Amino acid sequence: ETGVTQSPTHLIKTRGQQVTLRCSSQSGHNTVSWYQQALGQGPQFIFQYYREEENGRGNFPPRFSGLQFPNYSSELNVNALELDDSALYLCASSLPQSPDEQFFGPGTRLTVL
Amino acid sequence: KQEVTQIPAALSVPEGENLVLNCSFTDSAIYNLQWFRQDPGKGLTSLLLIQSSQREQTSGRLNASLDKSSGRSTLYIAASQPGDSATYLCAVKGNTGFQKLVFGTGTRLLVSP
Repeated sequence: ETGVTQSPTHLIKTRGQQVTLRCSSQSGHNTVSWYQQALGQGPQFIFQYYREEENGRGNFPPRFSGLQFPNYSSELNVNALELDDSALYLCASSLPQSPDEQFFGPGTRLTVL
Repeated sequence: KQEVTQIPAALSVPEGENLVLNCSFTDSAIYNLQWFRQDPGKGLTSLLLIQSSQREQTSGRLNASLDKSSGRSTLYIAASQPGDSATYLCAVKGNTGFQKLVFGTGTRLLVSP
């Protein structure tokens, strides 16, 4: 148990729809990162939030956006869903005093039909 | 652009064998390297973290080495057990100042009784 939870566990959407995925971190974890893991691949970095602001982004289009809240929860929003967005979405959080120790959540499995 | 490769993609061994998983990366300017374990459909569990100034780390039956100059790391698992069956992912963190990890595609390990 990492203390990081994600909801929902599974989600099915159709192409063109919008989706919001949620992550709840442990108290004090003021940095959260989101990753996309396609089947059979390693996770790919989407973006990172620190103190409620995005401070790093991977090679993902603007239709991937996020929010981080003062209560250590965060959201990943994806607009105009495409079939290739089908993946496991992972969030990871860390404490400011030990940023290298990232705690991963169990992920949300998104299927786009 | 950092690229991480893991060999082999899959490995099947009988219980009790010692085994080595390989990871290579293209840019030696890394901050640290981590090995993770991922069970099917689940999140990631950190196994070992090696800082760029270190050569190896050990935890129980696991030993990870790092040769930064040649862009290689190995994960050695001693006396493998069926419970070790999982996908093992290698990830490197660059010197960008934020927590982006670049992952390999993983080695899927099956240890049979």
